[in-house]
Parts: sequence; structure tokens; C-alpha cells
Amino acid sequence: AQTVTQSQPEMSVQEAETVTLSCTYDTSESNYYLFWYKQPPSRQMILVIRQEAYKQQNATENRFSVNFQKAAKSFSLKISDSQLGDTAMYFCAFMASGSARQLTFGSGTQLTVLP
Amino acid sequence: NAGVTQTPKFHILKIGQSMTLQCTQDMNHNYMYWYRQDPGMGLKLIYYSVGAGITDKGEVPNGYNVSRSTTEDFPLRLELAAPSQTSVYFCASCFQGLDTGELFFGEGSRLTVL
Repeated sequence: AQTVTQSQPEMSVQEAETVTLSCTYDTSESNYYLFWYKQPPSRQMILVIRQEAYKQQNATENRFSVNFQKAAKSFSLKISDSQLGDTAMYFCAFMASGSARQLTFGSGTQLTVLP
Repeated sequence: NAGVTQTPKFHILKIGQSMTLQCTQDMNHNYMYWYRQDPGMGLKLIYYSVGAGITDKGEVPNGYNVSRSTTEDFPLRLELAAPSQTSVYFCASCFQGLDTGELFFGEGSRLTVL
């Protein structure tokens, strides 16, 4: 069974600054995907970024990028130029390939962007 | 496209009552899921389905039942509601072969059992 750990329940950052959210995972699988989902107060789950484990290059999506350290089983999310609209709960999630697309979620990090 | 639609969005249930949370998707996705989210926690998988007529248990299936008679619909039934089932429930779907792994989520259904 997989586990996903987010050790930072809450974080805050000043608008326009950079913040990094941490995530570690434990698995014996060799092929898998990692995700960051955002959940704003509206409760809607929104995919922020994904990483295939077989790719060495870190994924980037505009202001969002990841630092994927496969050997350390670490998957952190960096948000650059933070905006007020980035205020949300952020969940790290793991999916093993061929697992019927079952996602295992971490407990989340509540990020608040301060004006 | 409406995406994934859940009803109701809010509901209060008495202990021992039964109810069904409805979920429908119009994207022709064959994989569908039910998750629950407790306060301050991540989402936990209740049940999932890889196609019409096929369902399987997730991490926390006790107290719930599902059916998948069509590709579009995946209702979740609570038979004898208990306070421990107070939670926010999310339905999600994705397309097999779309190996991005991205799930499309509904907006959630907040259920309170008193």
C-alpha cells in the first residue's frame, strides 16, 4: 500500500513571493504518477501539475513547478509569484500505473497568500 | 459539457436513515470513483468502477454501496446512516487510456448525519 505524507498543515506567503510545499511518499511500485491538486474554498478539486515517475525532468506549469527526487521519494511544489487566488488547500497525490487510476492523497497543506 | 455532476450539494440525514448520492458524467468516461473527505484530511477512496456493471471496494467501503448500470451514472448509497459518515463526498471520473491520470471531480456533496 502507498502512503503520502504532507508534513506542513498550514503555510502562508506574501503576495508575489515564492513558496514551496513538501510531500513525501512511500511505495514499492516502480511505475507511478504524482500529482498536486488544489482545492479552493469552493471545494472544487483542480489539477495543478503532474509528474510521471519515469521522467527525470521536473514538470512545470506556468508559475508552478515541482522538485521530484525519486530516490528520496520526495515531490515538492514550488509556487512562484504567489497570487491571492492561490489561497487554497493543496493535496499531493500518488497513483500507481495500472491501478485503475486510484489516487492516494496526502492530508493537505492549507496555503494562505497574504496581501 | 457539464462534466461531473453531483446531487444533492448539501443534505442532513438522521441516524439510521438511508439515502443515495447521485453522480453523473457526460464525458463518456469509463472509470468512476467515490471519495470522502473528512475535516483536515485528504480524500479517501470508498468505491470505484472501471465500467458499467463492474464495481470494487476502495479503502473505506463499510456502510456504503454502489451500482454502475450505465456508463454515465454511479450512485452511492448509504443504508443505515451513522454520525461517522458525516463528510464531504466527491465523485470523480476519468478515461481509460488517457494516461495522464487526471481525474475530473464533481463539486462535492456535504452530508451531515445527526
